Amino acid sequence: AQSVTQPDIHITVSEGASLELRCNYSYGATPYLFWYVQSPGQGLQLLLKYFSGDTLVQGIKGFEAEFKRSQSSFNLRKPSVHWSDAAEYFCAVGSTSGTYKYIFGTGTRLKVLA
Amino acid sequence: KAGVTQTPRYLIKTRGQQVTLSCSPISGHRSVSWYQQTPGQGLQFLFEYFSETQRNKGNFPGRFSGRQFSNSRSEMNVSTLELGDSALYLCASSPAGRGGRTYEQYFGPGTRLTVT
Repeated sequence: AQSVTQPDIHITVSEGASLELRCNYSYGATPYLFWYVQSPGQGLQLLLKYFSGDTLVQGIKGFEAEFKRSQSSFNLRKPSVHWSDAAEYFCAVGSTSGTYKYIFGTGTRLKVLA
Repeated sequence: KAGVTQTPRYLIKTRGQQVTLSCSPISGHRSVSWYQQTPGQGLQFLFEYFSETQRNKGNFPGRFSGRQFSNSRSEMNVSTLELGDSALYLCASSPAGRGGRTYEQYFGPGTRLTVT
């Protein structure tokens, strides 16, 4: 079955520290991949997307993600976290053909310590 | 371009009532998806519409229904409300076209529904 797994429900980092949020997927082929961020009480905002090509993609707010086909992973990274990055982060996979399908992970809540 | 708008932003209903939520997508977007978000279940897919046709549906009871109009605006309806329907309902629009290729989604701020 197609699925997205974000193994970390909560992550706490200190401001200025580096960050990596994990995302693994199960899909018949290489899907399209996305990361979204949600601040409390708000809708989701797209951080970055991967369709094809260079496996390291840059997004907004200084985030980047790396697609690793062999590991079925699409981990999100940021070299130096800011207090304003505290939010919930969602990984998603989207279909490339066939039945239109969009699957979200369960999210990782990031807490940033001053 | 204006973003995705959802109305109303907040709603309080009583068990057994019905509710209609509205979503206006970004101009030019023909795909609209709906999601239910709760602390316990996370983000759950309700349905997706493209050019007035429902292309995919999540695992929700028939009390949850939706439709899309010719101008791509969408509504979702929940009949016979239950306490468990209390949630943030999110609408997302996408430039997705015909076929199964997906694109990024743009989310509205959501409608917070409270059922008492």
